[in-house]
Amino acid sequence: EVQLVESGGGLVQPGGSLRLSCEASGFTFSTYSMNWVRQAPGKGLEWVSYSSSASDSLRYADSVKGRFTISRDNAKNSLYLQMNSLRVEDTAVYYCTRGRPGWYMDVWGKGTTVTVSS
Amino acid sequence: QSALTQPASVSGSPGQSITISCTGTSSDVGYYNSVSWYQQHPGKAPRLMIYDVSNRPSGVSNRFSGSKSGNTASLTISGLQAEDEADYYCSSYTTTRALFGGGTKLTVL
Repeated sequence: EVQLVESGGGLVQPGGSLRLSCEASGFTFSTYSMNWVRQAPGKGLEWVSYSSSASDSLRYADSVKGRFTISRDNAKNSLYLQMNSLRVEDTAVYYCTRGRPGWYMDVWGKGTTVTVSS
Repeated sequence: QSALTQPASVSGSPGQSITISCTGTSSDVGYYNSVSWYQQHPGKAPRLMIYDVSNRPSGVSNRFSGSKSGNTASLTISGLQAEDEADYYCSSYTTTRALFGGGTKLTVL
């Protein structure tokens, strides 16, 4: 079964850091691009970051550029999101998604919740 | 960059058809054939329903169809069923990033 499982969410104070992980199974992880997408409470979806299959192309939304870093370990079938200088407005459910040509996302994890609050 | 524009809500009765619009610009929806649609039930992860404007993934009912004209893409659901009640999001590729619409809440009356 194709599956993505996120972990690493939690409660953090403004200015703090958190590292999210996404473990993939059921497909050849190293051949797919991957994304992080977030959803603030009661709000819509927001694309956060993209990694090509070989990590040679990394992209970020303007709202997180310079604070978040996407990375992956193809040997471990894992995607990561290092989040620094967290703000209250970063509070959201963070989804790991599998990317396809045309940037559509055909597999989604269940999400991990990040809460930034003092 | 601004999100794509969707109506906040649409509604229809069982068996009817509804259409959800998604308006972008000549730099995203109007330029690329990379529009996708996602369904999200409360408390659940989104699910891909349409990709590349009008293609359905395996397992998605043929009651769901997509199209595009100019800067506006559309999702049509025919033969509405109670289980279609959900939030729907459009998405488009633009230069080096993905954009999402604000979402449309579909109510099946």
